[in-house]
Amino acid sequence: GQQLNQSPQSMFIQEGEDVSMNCTSSSIFNTWLWYKQDPGEGPVLLIALYKAGELTSNGRLTAQFGITRKDSFLNISASIPSDVGIYFCAGLTGANSKLTFGKGITLSVRP
Amino acid sequence: NAGVMQNPRHLVRRRGQEARLRCSPMKGHSHVYWYRQLPEEGLKFMVYLQKENIIDESGMPKERFSAEFPKEGPSILRIQQVVRGDSAAYFCASSLTGTSVRDTGELFFGEGSRLTVL
Repeated sequence: GQQLNQSPQSMFIQEGEDVSMNCTSSSIFNTWLWYKQDPGEGPVLLIALYKAGELTSNGRLTAQFGITRKDSFLNISASIPSDVGIYFCAGLTGANSKLTFGKGITLSVRP
Repeated sequence: NAGVMQNPRHLVRRRGQEARLRCSPMKGHSHVYWYRQLPEEGLKFMVYLQKENIIDESGMPKERFSAEFPKEGPSILRIQQVVRGDSAAYFCASSLTGTSVRDTGELFFGEGSRLTVL
């Protein structure tokens, strides 16, 4: 089946630093989504990408949809303590609404 | 406007019992999705329903699991004769239309129901 690969499993950064997370797949996806999940909560959509090569920003977050449609990255600039959480990439293929999720990256921000 | 509401938030069951998880989608949303999340894993699609219809159940285990979304009332995910491996967080999500996730990325998740099987 389709899989999205996110690594490393955990990242530790200092407050104020930038961080970049990558998501790769052996399959093509037509839509890429990045979610954040806080402990005990459901995922919340951060950024959605619809076209290969697209670069989209949302505040301190920037994400890009890879040209090959097999990868995406998420950048967080000037990290703050509330950026702590699990970041998931997710992909859609075709016309269905069934998301495939990566395993997530747990981000820790040291004050 | 209330978000996606799931209950119970936490459910403890003994092996062999039944678990019923409920999900009320966002107001105006008629498309509901159930996902399962195991510890330290991403969410795995289970089933997609529109009012009174199952659209895609390709992620549902063949036995013991069923889902419904009646004309009136919440969507229900039912797990019969639970086993320890069913312990997970079960998330419900809703969207306005069947294509809105593809077109706008709008898929709203509830806070999840955490099932523990003893």
